[in-house]
Amino acid sequence: QLQLQESGPGLVKPSETLSLTCTVSGGSISSSSYYWGWIRQPPGKGLEWIGSIYYSGSTYYNPSLKSRVTISVDTSKNQFSLKLSSVTAADTAVYYCARARSYDPPRGWGQGTLVTVSS
Amino acid sequence: DIQMTQSPSTLSASVGDRVTITCRASQSISSWLAWYQQKPGKAPKLLIYKASSLESGVPSRFSGSGSGTEFTLTISSLQPDDFATYYCQQYNSYLWTFGQGTKVEIK
Repeated sequence: QLQLQESGPGLVKPSETLSLTCTVSGGSISSSSYYWGWIRQPPGKGLEWIGSIYYSGSTYYNPSLKSRVTISVDTSKNQFSLKLSSVTAADTAVYYCARARSYDPPRGWGQGTLVTVSS
Repeated sequence: DIQMTQSPSTLSASVGDRVTITCRASQSISSWLAWYQQKPGKAPKLLIYKASSLESGVPSRFSGSGSGTEFTLTISSLQPDDFATYYCQQYNSYLWTFGQGTKVEIK
């Protein structure tokens, strides 16, 4: 059974870079036709897609965040990662990682991890 | 990018009520639309995919319809476990977008 688990610092200072990792178990991150994505949810607000990486390595980012986001894969560790630079308080959110097959919505989600941006 | 607009933002209903939530896309997304249910502190749970296909294990009181730019999620008889927030999501393009959510509250 597929499981995804987010990990990383729960507190990041303004202007610094937020870094999170999603560890995948019960499936290979190299499996063809899958997207691996990041979605966030500010406290009390709705869901915002951050970006995705396809198994081939192609990346897709939310235009509103594109200049600050990098998503990458580490196949040796069966993990994928999110880096969000120059963070502000507006980036405080629960961050989820998720998997989606081509032409399917994300089904497998991590439990989410809260990241607070504060000095 | 494609914008998704849900209505209403909040809905007050009683157990047994029929509930309908609407989602509109800013351009045609064919049937590439999903509906999720989210409860506080939990990750979203997929209910409907491809506009009208019921996810395995989801009760049959949930149904979805629509194509193009207009979509609906219907709960035929609201149950106590259904009080939650519902989101639509388009996956027509590589750039996913979510609706702003509809909170279903107890009347």
